[in-house]
Amino acid sequence: KNEVEQSPQNLTAQEGEFITINCSYSVGISALHWLQQHPGGGIVSLFMLSSGKKKHGRLIATINIQEKHSSLHITASHPRDSAVYICAVPNAGGTSYGKLTFGQGTILTVHP
Amino acid sequence: DVKVTQSSRYLVKRTGEKVFLECVQDMDHENMFWYRQDPGLGLRLIYFSYDVKMKEKGDIPEGYSVSREKKERFSLILESASTNQTSMYLCASSSAGQGSRELFFGEGSRLTVL
Repeated sequence: KNEVEQSPQNLTAQEGEFITINCSYSVGISALHWLQQHPGGGIVSLFMLSSGKKKHGRLIATINIQEKHSSLHITASHPRDSAVYICAVPNAGGTSYGKLTFGQGTILTVHP
Repeated sequence: DVKVTQSSRYLVKRTGEKVFLECVQDMDHENMFWYRQDPGLGLRLIYFSYDVKMKEKGDIPEGYSVSREKKERFSLILESASTNQTSMYLCASSSAGQGSRELFFGEGSRLTVL
């Protein structure tokens, strides 16, 4: 099974700060997912990337396949970015049927 | 707008009751999943289904069963609820095919067992 480590577990920032969340995994993958969960439950997919970099608004995700590492950056952070950010990778080996292994999540709080 | 809908956002049940959690997706996805989410433990897979009437155990299937009679609907059943099943339950779906697929989640069902 793929092991996923996220850091930091908790992150507090002031509005406007640049934020980085890191994710490392143990087994080579086809793609890595970044997810966002706001208080109250629902999870949304932010990015799915297999190489290089993707950008959506103020969010940027990068991945280094050789180092088995990905980062999620938020530029000009805002209180509405406060959420849990979760990294996920496909299970290792066999027919995965889209099964993922999830990191523990990073709780981000952005203060005005 | 694509959607995964879970039948109940909040449920309170008593120990020993049978509990049904329903999930419906409108994207014609082959794969459907049930996860539970607990503080400090992250998301853990209970069961998943890759086709109608097909199911496989995930990492923590004990105390749960599932049913998938139609492609769009995946039900999680707690035969006899216990207090350690108090948790947030999340349903998700994805399409089949080679490589990783985007996962779509429902809003979650928060279950409290007294």
